[in-house]
Amino acid sequence: EADIYQTPRYLVIGTGKKITLECSQTMGHDKMYWYQQDPGMELHLIHYSYGVNSTEKGDLSSESTVSRIRTEHFPLTLESARPSHTSQYLCASSDGQGREETQYFGPGTRLLVL
Amino acid sequence: AQSVAQPEDQVNVAEGNPLTVKCTYSVSGNPYLFWYVQYPNRGLQFLLKYITGDNLVKGSYGFEAEFNKSQTSFHLKKPSALVSDSALYFCAVRDIPPPGYSTLTFGKGTMLLVSP
Repeated sequence: EADIYQTPRYLVIGTGKKITLECSQTMGHDKMYWYQQDPGMELHLIHYSYGVNSTEKGDLSSESTVSRIRTEHFPLTLESARPSHTSQYLCASSDGQGREETQYFGPGTRLLVL
Repeated sequence: AQSVAQPEDQVNVAEGNPLTVKCTYSVSGNPYLFWYVQYPNRGLQFLLKYITGDNLVKGSYGFEAEFNKSQTSFHLKKPSALVSDSALYFCAVRDIPPPGYSTLTFGKGTMLLVSP
């Protein structure tokens, strides 16, 4: 498996709390991504980064924010969690250039907001 | 815009039989196609990709996929299914080789169930 780590793996939290989901990779990849995965399985891209100090919003509108201060670290923050944020969050990074670029995924964080 | 369709929510197959998980795509340029597998409570694992060249791509765990440009398909196959192959499978497409500004589009996923 790829060397990409996510913590915590599971989180149960009350409404209104601020949370940060951690994602780190040791492969030196410039590009990193956050996906939200519905209970019905579909993945939606919510944020991505092409390098330090670069962040972009993805296809799915999200109330979360991200930062990229170091190459290896791409945390996602929810300022005020709501039950609608309950989901699985997957972090990925990609290697290669051009056509050969391939994304590798972390194990995911399963979030439950009560 | 690029899109991917996985027409089957679930595929059932008996162990030892061949399996096929279907994927069709739509892109404006040349397609770059991927298959990933997700086991319960895990992230996605990369299986294989088609970039160019031979239409039959071989990947991890004995899986292969056939690229068919005329049918815009990229079906995942395995000659003999194992119970341990039971998992969720995602097809994905990227149509523009990045100088850094394209992303993957995933299908909705197909659950593969292999019975003993």
